[in-house]
Amino acid sequence: QKEVEQNSGPLSVPEGAIASLNCTYSDRGSQSFFWYRQYSGKSPELIMSIYSNGDKEDGRFTAQLNKASQYVPLLIRDSQPSDSATYLCAVNTPARSYIPTFGRGTSLIVHP
Amino acid sequence: DAGVIQSPRHEVTEMGQEVTLRCKPISGHNSLFWYRQTMMRGLELLIYFNNNVPIDDSGMPEDRFSAKMPNASFSTLKIQPSEPRDSAVYFCASSPGTSSGNTIYFGEGSWLTVV
Repeated sequence: QKEVEQNSGPLSVPEGAIASLNCTYSDRGSQSFFWYRQYSGKSPELIMSIYSNGDKEDGRFTAQLNKASQYVPLLIRDSQPSDSATYLCAVNTPARSYIPTFGRGTSLIVHP
Repeated sequence: DAGVIQSPRHEVTEMGQEVTLRCKPISGHNSLFWYRQTMMRGLELLIYFNNNVPIDDSGMPEDRFSAKMPNASFSTLKIQPSEPRDSAVYFCASSPGTSSGNTIYFGEGSWLTVV
């Protein structure tokens, strides 16, 4: 089982819709969770971090953490074409000295 | 504040040649990471330094790869000899330290093509 799993996509949604990006992790000891956005030809940039169970909202982005299910999805409300990118989920675990482990990423396409 | 600075941004080299990638982390950051990204394997950690000391190099693919961090503001990743399968984007990243809330910041990457 991979440490961090994401659907590779592409996930295609119409402009204005909610995009739901999945992420599951295998290590129950994981403590910190991050979402990065990577535009084509660019480097990953941090958009969200979450540490406690529940929802964390930042503008149109909401990260949800469910440690019992080992599930940390990202929701993007009112999706815009400018949201089209690859979204990488990353997890820090004490077993790996808190070095982030990344999923393969989900490609999101928002079409007008 | 300047972010993580990498050079060169793009490099095309012939198989067998030596490649040296360079990185300047964010000032004050104690941890430095080298990642490689390919379509097939995604983002893979190659090596991690803390306070200039290599802590985890288990991701370095083989002896052709080596990395150094002679001081807090400079690191190199060297490939000698290079092979076509080394073609990838190599990212350097840094973070303030290692803790559960550790957030890393990426440089713009070095795009390597070995022909």
